[in-house]
Amino acid sequence: QLVLTQSPSASASLGASVKLTCTLSSGHSTYAIAWHQQKPEKGPRYLMKLNSDGSHIKGDGIPDRFSGSSSGAERYLTISSVQSEDEADYYCQTWGTGIVVFGGGTKVTVL
Amino acid sequence: QVQLVESGGGLVKPGGSLRLSCAASGFTFSDYYMSWIRQAPGKGLEWVSYISSSGNTIHYGDSVKGRFTISRDNAKNSLYVQMNSLRADDTAVYYCARGSEKYSNSYLAYWGPGTLVTVSS
Repeated sequence: QLVLTQSPSASASLGASVKLTCTLSSGHSTYAIAWHQQKPEKGPRYLMKLNSDGSHIKGDGIPDRFSGSSSGAERYLTISSVQSEDEADYYCQTWGTGIVVFGGGTKVTVL
Repeated sequence: QVQLVESGGGLVKPGGSLRLSCAASGFTFSDYYMSWIRQAPGKGLEWVSYISSSGNTIHYGDSVKGRFTISRDNAKNSLYVQMNSLRADDTAVYYCARGSEKYSNSYLAYWGPGTLVTVSS
């Protein structure tokens, strides 16, 4: 079964870095994912597609401080030089034939 | 630029029906798969359904199978979901979203602002 697992929360001080993890279920380690950001009371916003080799395609206007990387079944989103406006929920998403799957989301708090 | 705008949300009684619409603009609607995703209050994102660019391929999440029907009108650049036998746990903000690649199910590249559906007596 295709499942994505995320930690519920993460925090970072203003200007520091934070690395979020999305783990693919067993047997699905080659899947690409997408990262989405959702600020309070807003619809989600696509950040990037992240492949198993770490290559990624960012959405329009996504700042350079957002980057992605991969290792095995894990997909990472790193926010460098965290800004106050980066405080949001972050969801990973993947897809297959007949299915779209979301991780449970990680709430990022900027200290 | 790509715009997606949902409408049709509101308050409905348990067992009732509602039809949501999503008006699309800024791209060739008939080229892309479209999806509905929902978010219950305080919860995460849940995929509801997707429909292929031609409308010939449709899939649903387990929680809505047999109750919801997705459709599209490529001439009107519009996506729909007919929701029947609504339950309290269908209460959510409903988003429409566009796939990233033409003619295939893929990651979601554009989202609408959402419309709130509340199921309550």
